[in-house]
Amino acid sequence: EPEVTQTPSHQVTQMGQEVILRCVPISNHLYFYWYRQILGQKVEFLVSFYNNEISEKSEIFDDQFSVERPDGSNFTLKIRSTKLEDSAMYFCASSGDSYNEQFFGPGTRLTVL
Amino acid sequence: GENVEQHPSTLSVQEGDSAVIKCTYSDSASNYFPWYKQELGKRPQLIIDIRSNVGEKKDQRIAVTLNKTAKHFSLHITETQPEDSAVYFCAASSRGYSTLTFGKGTMLLVSP
Repeated sequence: EPEVTQTPSHQVTQMGQEVILRCVPISNHLYFYWYRQILGQKVEFLVSFYNNEISEKSEIFDDQFSVERPDGSNFTLKIRSTKLEDSAMYFCASSGDSYNEQFFGPGTRLTVL
Repeated sequence: GENVEQHPSTLSVQEGDSAVIKCTYSDSASNYFPWYKQELGKRPQLIIDIRSNVGEKKDQRIAVTLNKTAKHFSLHITETQPEDSAVYFCAASSRGYSTLTFGKGTMLLVSP
């Protein structure tokens, strides 16, 4: 069964540094999402992406965040200048249809020191 | 925006008992309600979902009910097993791109 994959599984960075989190959605899916989950808390929506543009974003997704689909397979989340409070698990998800199940990747644990 | 409340935050049951987790939502336009199971350190995985044109859906030991008037939906797990132990999240979606708003999660512990 196809799965969403994410790299790296764990990223440690210094405050103020840029990080890029990578995702490979399921190949025939058209809708892509980033969520984050601070340890012990609920999953929070960051951004959705369709047809090569952002379709919706939350208040968490400020100017420090950006997303890109640089080629036909990858979907990336960039944080330009990381803050301590960006430490969380970041999940990528994809969906074949806007009204169907979202499949989650295994997550990237980001630790900002 | 949408707000989803989930109760209880923790639930302990004996193996074989039933477990019920309840969620309420605020946006009457919400029309898709998935439930995700998340085991420790792993990705959320969909276990069942329901759309607003249906009142109840079952899949073996798992069922979900939806009351649109009251804006609440519930997860029912019967004959619980230790492997059901996990955190369960409800979510709601109302927009065309299916942005999911999650509840805070319920840690279910099934004791043998």
